[in-house]
Amino acid sequence: GAGVSQSPSNKVTEKGKDVELRCDPISGHTALYWYRQSLGQGLEFLIYFQGNSAPDKSGLPSDRFSAERTGGSVSTLTIQRTQQEDSAVYLCASSLDSSNQPQHFGDGTRLSIL
Amino acid sequence: AQSVTQLGSHVSVSEGALVLLRCNYSSSVPPYLFWYVQYPNQGLQLLLKYTTGATLVKGINGFEAEFKKSETSFHLTKPSAHMSDAAEYFCAVSGSGDDKIIFGKGTRLHILP
Repeated sequence: GAGVSQSPSNKVTEKGKDVELRCDPISGHTALYWYRQSLGQGLEFLIYFQGNSAPDKSGLPSDRFSAERTGGSVSTLTIQRTQQEDSAVYLCASSLDSSNQPQHFGDGTRLSIL
Repeated sequence: AQSVTQLGSHVSVSEGALVLLRCNYSSSVPPYLFWYVQYPNQGLQLLLKYTTGATLVKGINGFEAEFKKSETSFHLTKPSAHMSDAAEYFCAVSGSGDDKIIFGKGTRLHILP
């Protein structure tokens, strides 16, 4: 299918290591979002890419978190020096543009920090 | 700027009973409103959306929602709950242009046999 693809689906790593999470949006979708979902919590907005505009990074919780989107398509979320509180499901979503188009979500990456 | 409040982090209804999940929004511009559903270990799926026009919106799986501007609400309803409706439901709002979509904290719906 041509849905949003995230990899890996599960990641277990030791505290202090760096991790990279990948998102392949639906082809042609200009808007891409990253969210974090912790146990029992709602969706925490992290970062938003829209076309060639500068990304909205207002949701990134610390400078250990960064994301890039190469060529307006694939995005990578990087967490440096991971901490146990980073354990969560990281969801990626894309949409045709931003405001009135629904988002299409991937199944997420479940990150566990030991 | 937009914001969303979902009343009740957990809602329980009996199978066959009415489902009502509440959502109130705040927006400085005419809003676009969405309801999403999340089943275990999956991403979110769109249930329905309101952009313009008819204020009663019908979605998948028998759900519907009514946009009430005077009450700044977009409550989700279903006449008769089914066991398969057990999931987490998220309300979301966005404005015009390049505004990002803002999600509520979610309501987990439990269906009692």
